[in-house]
Amino acid sequence: AQKITQTQPGMFVQEKEAVTLDCTYDTSDPSYGLFWYKQPSSGEMIFLIYQGSYDQQNATEGRYSLNFQKARKSANLVISASQLGDSAMYFCAMREGSNFGNEKLTFGTGTRLTIIP
Amino acid sequence: ETGVTQTPRHLVMGMTNKKSLKCEQHLGHNAMYWYKQSAKKPLELMFVYSLEERVENNSVPSRFSPECPNSSHLFLHLHTLQPEDSALYLCASSQDRGGLKEAFFGQGTRLTVV
Repeated sequence: AQKITQTQPGMFVQEKEAVTLDCTYDTSDPSYGLFWYKQPSSGEMIFLIYQGSYDQQNATEGRYSLNFQKARKSANLVISASQLGDSAMYFCAMREGSNFGNEKLTFGTGTRLTIIP
Repeated sequence: ETGVTQTPRHLVMGMTNKKSLKCEQHLGHNAMYWYKQSAKKPLELMFVYSLEERVENNSVPSRFSPECPNSSHLFLHLHTLQPEDSALYLCASSQDRGGLKEAFFGQGTRLTVV
């Protein structure tokens, strides 16, 4: 079974609009972290935002926020006031933390976001 | 600036060649990783090093051989590769000890096997 599922292979959004990128995850580990990364055409994976499984509040970083719904096992990324520079691939990832030294990040297949002027 | 540098950025090699990919991080992290990114597939973790010891090897073929001489450097030695090994190879680093911290990635090496 997929540990991270991103159901939107591609999205087109008008500039300045908000956009939500979907992510659901599967784990039985009570301790885990959820991450969103942005990958522009240059190839580098850029860390955007992190949500811990025990965090009470949804994470926010500037224009990025993470809509964390633990019971539904979803961790959607919300980008407010989208900009042309937001066009990129976006990956949701999870790290399960119960094993000492387990640093593995499991990634979804990504969503290609295109911002339209 | 990413803090994780990969060289070369692009590499074309024949199936009989031997080459190496290099990764360097200046973030003081103790864990380093190699990922393979193929088209339309999730990133695949290949190797994990924590404090210079390999802690995970995800059934990667022996034609890929990692080396971690110190906590700042990570290599991936390549020999007798196949065309299906063509992909973007990403290096990453993070703080270890099980902390759920983000990993920082390099810009990757685009490998083409001909």
